[in-house]
Amino acid sequence: EDKVVQSPLSLVVHEGDTVTLNCSYEVTNFRSLLWYKQEKKAPTFLFMLTSSGIEKKSGRLSSILDKKELFSILNITATQTGDSAIYLCAVQGGSEKLVFGKGTKLTVNP
Amino acid sequence: DAGVTQSPTHLIKTRGQQVTLRCSPKSGHDTVSWYQQALGQGPQFIFQYYEEEERQRGNFPDRFSGHQFPNYSSELNVNALLLGDSALYLCATAQTRSGNTIYFGEGSWLTVV
Repeated sequence: EDKVVQSPLSLVVHEGDTVTLNCSYEVTNFRSLLWYKQEKKAPTFLFMLTSSGIEKKSGRLSSILDKKELFSILNITATQTGDSAIYLCAVQGGSEKLVFGKGTKLTVNP
Repeated sequence: DAGVTQSPTHLIKTRGQQVTLRCSPKSGHDTVSWYQQALGQGPQFIFQYYEEEERQRGNFPDRFSGHQFPNYSSELNVNALLLGDSALYLCATAQTRSGNTIYFGEGSWLTVV
């Protein structure tokens, strides 16, 4: 059965800190790994990763995938209070179905 | 370009009742999936519809059923509601075979009392 494990489950930092969120997975017929940010309701798309070793970057956020070791990390540099959210990692196997982890709840204090 | 839209946004039902949730996909998207997200958990896959047929189903009882219409919109129906069905129900849409990103709607908060 496909499985995604995120760590830590919860994280509290101060503004300006750098954080690393972890995601490990087991999936049949890996297709992609996706990161989402969920603040109130709808998860909003951050990154889709399909190839190992290629960093994806968007502003202060970046992510990379290791298909050999079956994990991904999401980095956020110079955190701001607006980064406070739940960060969800999901993997996609042979269909459009996504298997999610429980998420990492990030709290950024001023 | 409208994104994924869901209705209603919030609703309260009594145990044993039935509920219907609706989803309109993002323009150009033809695949609709439904997810249930309980508090403190990641979304759990319920089922997926493509070409008006259920293509894949997660580990949910038959009380959960759905439908996709010719315009690609979709409904999720839950019968004989239980307290444990209280959750955020998310609709996600994608364009099949394009490898495009999956987009989520704002969700419908269901509370069963």
